[in-house]
This record gives sequence, structure tokens and C-alpha cells, in this order.
Amino acid sequence: DTGVSQDPRHKITKRGQNVTFRCDPISEHNRLYWYRQTLGQGPEFLTYFQNEAQLEKSRLLSDRFSAERPKGSFSTLEIQRTEQGDSAMYLCASQGQGATEVQNIQYFGAGTRLSVL
Amino acid sequence: TQLLEQSPQFLSIQEGENLTVYCNSSSVFSSLQWYRQEPGEGPVLLVTVVTGGEVKKLKRLTFQFGDARKDSSLHITAAQPGDTGLYLCAGRNAGGTSYGKLTFGQGTILTVHP
Repeated sequence: DTGVSQDPRHKITKRGQNVTFRCDPISEHNRLYWYRQTLGQGPEFLTYFQNEAQLEKSRLLSDRFSAERPKGSFSTLEIQRTEQGDSAMYLCASQGQGATEVQNIQYFGAGTRLSVL
Repeated sequence: TQLLEQSPQFLSIQEGENLTVYCNSSSVFSSLQWYRQEPGEGPVLLVTVVTGGEVKKLKRLTFQFGDARKDSSLHITAAQPGDTGLYLCAGRNAGGTSYGKLTFGQGTILTVHP
């Protein structure tokens, strides 16, 4: 257990429905990242928060995707009007603000696996 | 756009054999991480390498960072069935608003047969 919680672990939805995922990072970590991983591939960066500020969004994050971290603690990732191509594992990672590269480890949650039918 | 090319994509070997996984890029990263991922779980960090030419050992695993900090390798000696899994390399962005963002390779699926 890395200390990063993601909910739900699995989500099956029909095309066109909206879905929301939640990530609870390690409590003292101020940085939170979302990645998407399709089968047989490495994770791809989606977006990044430092505290409550969303500092970067990937071009992978279409207008149907929105992420929030309202109080700088937990984060949500919402996908509106889901498409079959959205089927993937959505991973959240939590990182502190250490002085060295070795201290700045990203701890990953177990992910939410989304299946869009 | 920073890319990491990881090879091979698949590796199927017998217990006791040695193997090497490679991770190459045209970009310089502030550090490079190696992760292992089990099915249905998130990646778990194995090692972080920071200095060009750095070599780190973790039991039967040896990690090396290239002198120019653009490439890395993971060598496993005397592989065991418990080593089976997806191995991922990831480079970390050094600064600006992308600070900390990881760029992952495609992954290497390792299967070690008893």
C-alpha cells in the first residue's frame, strides 16, 4: 500500500455517460498527477496540481475531461460524454516537495480501470 | 516532445537466465526512474538514478544511467518467476510548470518460466 487511494477501482459505463474518479494522495504531499494507461503501454501524463492550482494539462486532456483539487487535498477527474476510446486505467500519483530528486518520489495509487461499452 | 524508447517490449525467459532492458531518449532528464507494475495495480518504484554514469544495485537488479543522462538500462541476474511483471522506465522533467512530470517508456513485459 503506497498510501494513495483511488476510488472506484473499476468502473463500467455506457458510451455517452459521465464518470468521476477520486484520488486521495498522501496527506503531506502537495503535488498530485493524473496519468492514463492503455493496455500494454506505459502511463501517459494528463495533468498536474501543486496544491489546488492546476499547473499543466496535456493535449490528451480533451474538453470532455476536467480535473479539480479544490482544497489542495483530494482530486477528482471527470469525463463527460464518455467514448469507447476513453477505456483505460487512470492512475493518480502523489509527490512531496523534497530538496533532492531522490526525495521527490511519485507514489502511485492502484488506479481506476474504466471500461466504456 | 520528450520520448523514451524502451526495449524489448516482450521478454520470455527461463528461470536462472540473465536479461537486460534498455531505455533510450534524445532528451536529457533530471532523473530516471524504474518502476515495476503488477496486473491491476499501480507502478511501484524500484530505483531513481540521477547522476550521469551512476550505477545502482538492488539485490539481483542492476540499474545504470548513461553518461549524458539520456539512456538507462536494467539488468537482472538469475531471473526468478517472481520477477515476472511489467517494467517501466520514466524520465522526470526538470523545471518550469512541468516540474516532476514523468515521461514513461512503453514498458517491457517480462515473463520468467520456472
